[in-house]
Amino acid sequence: DVKVTQSSRYLVKRTGEKVFLECVQDMDHENMFWYRQDPGLGLRLIYFSYDVKMKEKGDIPEGYSVSREKKERFSLILESASTNQTSMYLCASRIPNTGELFFGEGSRLTVL
Amino acid sequence: QQQVKQSPQSLIVQKGGISIINCAYENTAFDYFPWYQQFPGKGPALLIAINPDVSEKKEGRFTISFNKSAKQFSLHIMDSQPGDSATYFCAAREGYNQGGKLIFGQGTELSVKP
Repeated sequence: DVKVTQSSRYLVKRTGEKVFLECVQDMDHENMFWYRQDPGLGLRLIYFSYDVKMKEKGDIPEGYSVSREKKERFSLILESASTNQTSMYLCASRIPNTGELFFGEGSRLTVL
Repeated sequence: QQQVKQSPQSLIVQKGGISIINCAYENTAFDYFPWYQQFPGKGPALLIAINPDVSEKKEGRFTISFNKSAKQFSLHIMDSQPGDSATYFCAAREGYNQGGKLIFGQGTELSVKP
């Protein structure tokens, strides 16, 4: 069974803290994605990676960075968390050039 | 700009009724149109998808209707059940030369009343 695991389901951080969100997939997928989900705004793409060491900006990359040192792992980094980054963060992976994304269960981040 | 617009934002349907969710898109280079279903506390999961060369696709109680000229597509859930209560997202895939990313709509929260 395919699996995308987000290690932290719930986090509470203070403004200005550095935040790491980790995502691991066991399907040997080349492509990985980070989305943020907000009510009324749907899923918005933050960053994605076509393969190891590669990264591309999505639609809302400001305030975020990513790391893809191993094929199975894609990390989202908030260098200095702000309250407007309070959100649900979803990681996904897929086989290249296919339509189906496999999502993790999400990491709900609250920045105080 | 919102490339995929979804409506309504929320929908309440009686058990056994038909649920209809609509999406419109701008980019004619989109080449694949999936719908995702998300239950509370879970990530979205692919429900059903359609390619732009067909006008309809049906899987059980779920049907996608696709109107290429109008740049619109919709999800119909027949005989809606309380277990269908979830958030639904339409999406559109950019062409390969544009990166093949999925662009999602705003989501529709469906509640099916018993």
